[in-house]
Amino acid sequence: EAGVAQSPRYKIIEKRQSVAFWCNPISGHATLYWYQQILGQGPKLLIQFQNNGVVDDSQLPKDRFSAERLKGVDSTLKIQPAKLEDSAVYLCASSQGQGGRHGEKLFFGSGTQLSVL
Amino acid sequence: KQEVTQIPAALSVPEGENLVLNCSFTDSAIYNLQWFRQDPGKGLTSLLLIQSSQREQTSGRLNASLDKSSGRSTLYIAASQPGDSATYLCAALGGGSNYKLTFGKGTLLTVNP
Repeated sequence: EAGVAQSPRYKIIEKRQSVAFWCNPISGHATLYWYQQILGQGPKLLIQFQNNGVVDDSQLPKDRFSAERLKGVDSTLKIQPAKLEDSAVYLCASSQGQGGRHGEKLFFGSGTQLSVL
Repeated sequence: KQEVTQIPAALSVPEGENLVLNCSFTDSAIYNLQWFRQDPGKGLTSLLLIQSSQREQTSGRLNASLDKSSGRSTLYIAASQPGDSATYLCAALGGGSNYKLTFGKGTLLTVNP
């Protein structure tokens, strides 16, 4: 079974530039998550999709971050314009069911490491 | 707001030692508690998931326990090996209509040969 695919693996940009990350979840997984992990911290949920609808985006800085999940499969996360404090690893995860309430495990991709200079 | 704390932040042990990692959470209204492993430059791998109605889960040399009323979970690793070296994170899945997974900062484990 193929895992969660993310690209690119690394990205270096200057502040005020824009950047986009891509995620392809495990086939058939209804729920997709984007997490931000700052060095030395645990992952923080940015946005959660169920199929192509947004379930939770309460911690997404909507003035600069946007995300979409077209057709309920792939997803992209965009930052425009980037700030220094956006330097982090952006992790995509997917689960089969509805947010893990019934014990569905989350499967994570390897992440995209973003450095904003 | 759920807060998850992990102690210790880092742990170094000799190979073969049994060890315990601790996790505490402030809101006991959770659906489940999960333990993950993270290797450098990699994503997270799910190790064990304990439903709120369960007391413990075991997988090989790993045993996780949950005491929901006191807001605590432990991960026990038996006969540690150098390959166990990684960061271990616990995460609590919030109850009610908020299925939000809140992570701790993790414990960096080093097992020395």
